[in-house]
Amino acid sequence: EPEVTQTPSHQVTQMGQEVILRCVPISNHLYFYWYRQILGQKVEFLVSFYNNEISEKSEIFDDQFSVERPDGSNFTLKIRSTKLEDSAMYFCASSEYVVSNNEQFFGPGTRLTVL
Amino acid sequence: DAKTTQPNSMESNEEEPVHLPCNHSTISGTDYIHWYRQLPSQGPEYVIHGLTSNVNNRMASLAIAEDRKSSTLILHRATLRDAAVYYCILQGGADGLTFGKGTHLIIQP
Repeated sequence: EPEVTQTPSHQVTQMGQEVILRCVPISNHLYFYWYRQILGQKVEFLVSFYNNEISEKSEIFDDQFSVERPDGSNFTLKIRSTKLEDSAMYFCASSEYVVSNNEQFFGPGTRLTVL
Repeated sequence: DAKTTQPNSMESNEEEPVHLPCNHSTISGTDYIHWYRQLPSQGPEYVIHGLTSNVNNRMASLAIAEDRKSSTLILHRATLRDAAVYYCILQGGADGLTFGKGTHLIIQP
C-alpha cells in the first residue's frame, strides 16, 4: 500500500542553524501539508501546498519557514534559523484530491530537537 | 473551522464495542465529519468520514445525528491495537485539519 515517507526520522540541531525536513508524498497525490506536534500537545497545521504554491498557512508558519517541491517527488520544509521552541514532531501529509471529503495520509514524522 | 467537543478519555475492554462521541453543534451545511486517530509515537491516521448518512468501512462505523450536531465513532470489536487518541474534525475545505485534544482511548485486556 502506498505511504508517505519522511526523512530523517530524528534530527538534532543547534539553535540558529537551518534544517530541511524531507517528505515523499504518495505519488499521485496533488495536495501536500506540514503539521507539527510539540511533545504532549495537539497536532497543529502549518501549511498546505497545491499546484506549486502555498494554499493556506497558519500563524505558526512565519518567515522562518518555507516549503518547496524541488522535483516531482520530494516536498520539503525548511526552518531557516531554528529556535528552542521549534523542537517538535513534524508530520507531512498528502491527499489525492482537492476536496473537503478527501482523506489525508500522514507520514511517520521527523522528530526535531533544537539544542 | 467549527469546533468539536470530545471526552478527554474513555476506557473499554478488549473485544467489546466502543462508542466515541463527538459534539459539533456549530457545524455548517458543507462541513464533513472526519475521524482520525494517532497511535503512540505515530502520525495521525485516517479512520472514516461522512456528511449526513451513516458510514461503514473496514475500520469503523460513523453514526451521524439527524441534525448533524453530534456523531459517534463505533469500533465494533476493540483490540489492544486500537488504543490511541481519536480526533473528531470538521472539514469544510481541502486545507489544513484542525486537531483538538481528542479522546484518549484505553483498552483493557
